[in-house]
Amino acid sequence: NAGVTQTPKFRVLKTGQSMTLLCAQDMNHEYMYWYRQDPGMGLRLIHYSVGEGTTAKGEVPDGYNVSRLKKQNFLLGLESAAPSQTSVYFCASSWVAGGYNEQFFGPGTRLTVL
Amino acid sequence: AQSVAQPEDQVNVAEGNPLTVKCTYSVSGNPYLFWYVQYPNRGLQFLLKYITGDNLVKGSYGFEAEFNKSQTSFHLKKPSALVSDSALYFCAVRDPTTSGTYKYIFGTGTRLKVLA
Repeated sequence: NAGVTQTPKFRVLKTGQSMTLLCAQDMNHEYMYWYRQDPGMGLRLIHYSVGEGTTAKGEVPDGYNVSRLKKQNFLLGLESAAPSQTSVYFCASSWVAGGYNEQFFGPGTRLTVL
Repeated sequence: AQSVAQPEDQVNVAEGNPLTVKCTYSVSGNPYLFWYVQYPNRGLQFLLKYITGDNLVKGSYGFEAEFNKSQTSFHLKKPSALVSDSALYFCAVRDPTTSGTYKYIFGTGTRLKVLA
C-alpha cells in the first residue's frame, strides 16, 4: 500500500515549457486535490476532483489544467510555465463521507521555473 | 469570508516543556477542524481532527487539541515537547460554502522548534 505517490520529485523548467505532474493513489479515494505550497502562504488549492471524470477549480487555477481519467490518477498540467509557478506541489486524496475525513498527502514535487 | 489563522510564524519551546500552537477560525456553521504536521521535504501528515463531541481531541504522537467554540479556536497542545516534534504545523478547516463538494482552507503554518 503506497498511499499517495507523485512523479516527478523535482523538475526545472524554462519559461514557456510545459509539463505534467502525476499523482496516483491506491486507497480507492473518491476525492483528489492539487495544492501549491509557497513560503508564508500555506497551502492553496489549485484544482480538485470529486470523482473519476470530474474536475473543478480551486483558489488558484490560472495557468494549470487537470484531468482525472482514472479514479486512481490525477494529473496536473502546466501548458506554458512561468516563474510565478515556481513552488512545491502537493497532491492529496480523501474519502468523501461529508467532508470530515482527513486528507492523505503525497511527498511533493519541487518545481523551479527559470 | 471563511478563514483560518495561525498567528505565530514560529514557536520555540524547550524540550520537556508543554507546547501550544495556536489556530483560530472563521467559518459559518459547525466547523470541521484538522491539524497536520509537515517534516522537512515531506508531505503533510494528519494529526487529529474535531468534528463533533468532546472538545478535547487526542491524536497521534501524544498531541491533543482543544476546540473552543466561544473563542473560535482550535489550539494544538502537547504536555511534554520532544526535539523530534520540530516541524511545520498546519491547521485546516472544511470550507462550508461548498456543499456536497468538500474543500479545505489551510492556515499559513507555524514552525515549531523544540530546543534540546
